[in-house]
Amino acid sequence: AQTVTQSQPEMSVQEAETVTLSCTYDTSESDYYLFWYKQPPSRQMILVIRQEAYKQQNATENRFSVNFQKAAKSFSLKISDSQLGDAAMYFCAYRSTNTGNQFYFGTGTSLTVIP
Amino acid sequence: DGGITQSPKYLFRKEGQNVTLSCEQNLNHDAMYWYRQDPGQGLRLIYYSQIVNDFQKGDIAEGYSVSREKKESFPLTVTSAQKNPTAFYLCASSPGTSPTSYEQYFGPGTRLTVT
Repeated sequence: AQTVTQSQPEMSVQEAETVTLSCTYDTSESDYYLFWYKQPPSRQMILVIRQEAYKQQNATENRFSVNFQKAAKSFSLKISDSQLGDAAMYFCAYRSTNTGNQFYFGTGTSLTVIP
Repeated sequence: DGGITQSPKYLFRKEGQNVTLSCEQNLNHDAMYWYRQDPGQGLRLIYYSQIVNDFQKGDIAEGYSVSREKKESFPLTVTSAQKNPTAFYLCASSPGTSPTSYEQYFGPGTRLTVT
């Protein structure tokens, strides 16, 4: 089975600064999808950004961008101009295109934004 | 509004009782999923269903059961055989194999406490 690793249980960033959350994954597949989800204190999971493995261009969504390194199996999330509302748990997720559309999640990174 | 509903938000049960968690979606999604979330462990897959009347075990299916009699409904029963049922449970859905939209959409979750 695929594994997703988030090696930073906790991170903090000053408001308006930039922070990068790390994610690595292990797979033998060549085609798959990667996601970052945000879980604020309400515990509602919110999609932040997605990346198709076949695309070389890194995905961006406003202040959120990824650094996708397929050969290194790395998928980091960069949050620019951090805001207080960015404080949340962030989960990296992998979707297989082979094993019945299963999703695999990392253990999460808790992000604190310091005013 | 289209979305996923889970009820109730908080659920309390006595040890030894079975309990059923509700999950309904009106997104017309084919695939539905149940996850368990414990502190420091991310999301762990309990069961998933890609189509009506079919479902597969996830990583931690022991002590749980599901049914998928209708496309929009995927209830999860936590049986008395589940040794540590107290947790936060998340239901999710996905369009399935559609190439144009492949992320998961999540419900608000149910916090189950068994004493």
